[in-house]
Amino acid sequence: AQSVSQHNHHVILSEAASLELGCNYSYGGTVNLFWYVQYPGQHLQLLLKYFSGDPLVKGIKGVEAEFIKSKFSFNLRKPSVQWSDTAEYFCAVSGAGSGGYNKLIFGAGTRLAVHP
Amino acid sequence: NAGVMQNPRHLVRRRGQEARLRCSPMKGHSHVYWYRQLPEEGLKFMVYLQKENIIDESGMPKERFSAEFPKEGPSILRIQQVVRGDSAAYFCASSTEKHQPQHFGDGTRLSIL
Repeated sequence: AQSVSQHNHHVILSEAASLELGCNYSYGGTVNLFWYVQYPGQHLQLLLKYFSGDPLVKGIKGVEAEFIKSKFSFNLRKPSVQWSDTAEYFCAVSGAGSGGYNKLIFGAGTRLAVHP
Repeated sequence: NAGVMQNPRHLVRRRGQEARLRCSPMKGHSHVYWYRQLPEEGLKFMVYLQKENIIDESGMPKERFSAEFPKEGPSILRIQQVVRGDSAAYFCASSTEKHQPQHFGDGTRLSIL
């Protein structure tokens, strides 16, 4: 079955702390991987994507993610969070290759709260 | 530079009524996706459309739900005879091609009384 698992539903950090959000997926075949962020009351915004090549991907807002194929993981990291990073973060996967398309399978999300 | 536009932002319906949700994709985007987000859950794929064609509706309930993306005008997600369980946030996304990243709208929050 195709699925995405985000290990932490709620994370609370103080400003300047480092962030790592876990994401594991189950999917047969080649995948594209994504992290989206949703600020309160706003739409989902794409933080970064992995299609192929360097497994360490840098995105917007100072984040990066590493694709570890052997572990079926795509964890998101940020070295130092700010209060403005408070949001919900979603990991997603889709099938790559000519036969697939961008039907995204989302994890349940991780709500991050950053305290000043 | 308008993004994906969804309307209405909030929709309240009584049980048994019809709900129509609209989505105008970004300019130049011909691929539209609809997702549903139930409380405390992630987004779940419902349907994927290109202009005038439904490509994949595997995530859409077989009854009461339908979607279209006509040659002219927005994509419409239609829910007939709504029930309480239809209460959710419905998000639309669009892309230029099938493997390009999707851009999301602000969603329509549907509440059923």
